[in-house]
Amino acid sequence: QKEVEQDPGPLSVPEGAIVSLNCTYSNSAFQYFMWYRQYSRKGPELLMYTYSSGNKEDGRFTAQVDKSSKYISLFIRDSQPSDSATYLCAFQGAQKLVFGQGTRLTINP
Amino acid sequence: EAQVTQNPRYLITVTGKKLTVTCSQNMNHEYMSWYRQDPGLGLRQIYYSMNVEVTDKGDVPEGYKVSRKEKRNFPLILESPSPNQTSLYFCASSPRNENIQYFGAGTRLSVL
Repeated sequence: QKEVEQDPGPLSVPEGAIVSLNCTYSNSAFQYFMWYRQYSRKGPELLMYTYSSGNKEDGRFTAQVDKSSKYISLFIRDSQPSDSATYLCAFQGAQKLVFGQGTRLTINP
Repeated sequence: EAQVTQNPRYLITVTGKKLTVTCSQNMNHEYMSWYRQDPGLGLRQIYYSMNVEVTDKGDVPEGYKVSRKEKRNFPLILESPSPNQTSLYFCASSPRNENIQYFGAGTRLSVL
């Protein structure tokens, strides 16, 4: 079983839609849960970061963590064409950051 | 501007010809790391360094070397590149007491 599973997509939705991106993980030692966004021809940049179960909001973005189910999600409300990118979930354990495969998202105007 | 700088951005080489990809950060970060990104496999860690003169293997270290003689620089060395090392490479850095990593723009390497 992989440590992290993420649907690679691609995912294409119309502008204004609510987007849900998901990852599952198997390693109970993961303590921090992150979402990175990667635009084409760029390096990943941190979008959201949390360490506890529950929801964390930042503008149109909500990160959700369910430690009991080992499941994390990223919700994007009122999606914009500028949100088109690859989204990678990431998990921090002891001195190690493990990434999901990334989901390629396209928001169509 | 705070940043992680990788050079070169694009590189085409031939099997067996030694090459070095440089990485430099201007944020005084202790931790630095190299990743490779491949379709369907995501980002995988090659090597990391907790501080000057301290390096350790990541998940896919075979065929790579690193050194950390100065805090700001963390070069990735391919002594004898092979076609299976064709990939997109990222350098990242972070402060010791934070989990957030800052990435460079990437180096696309093709080994023929």
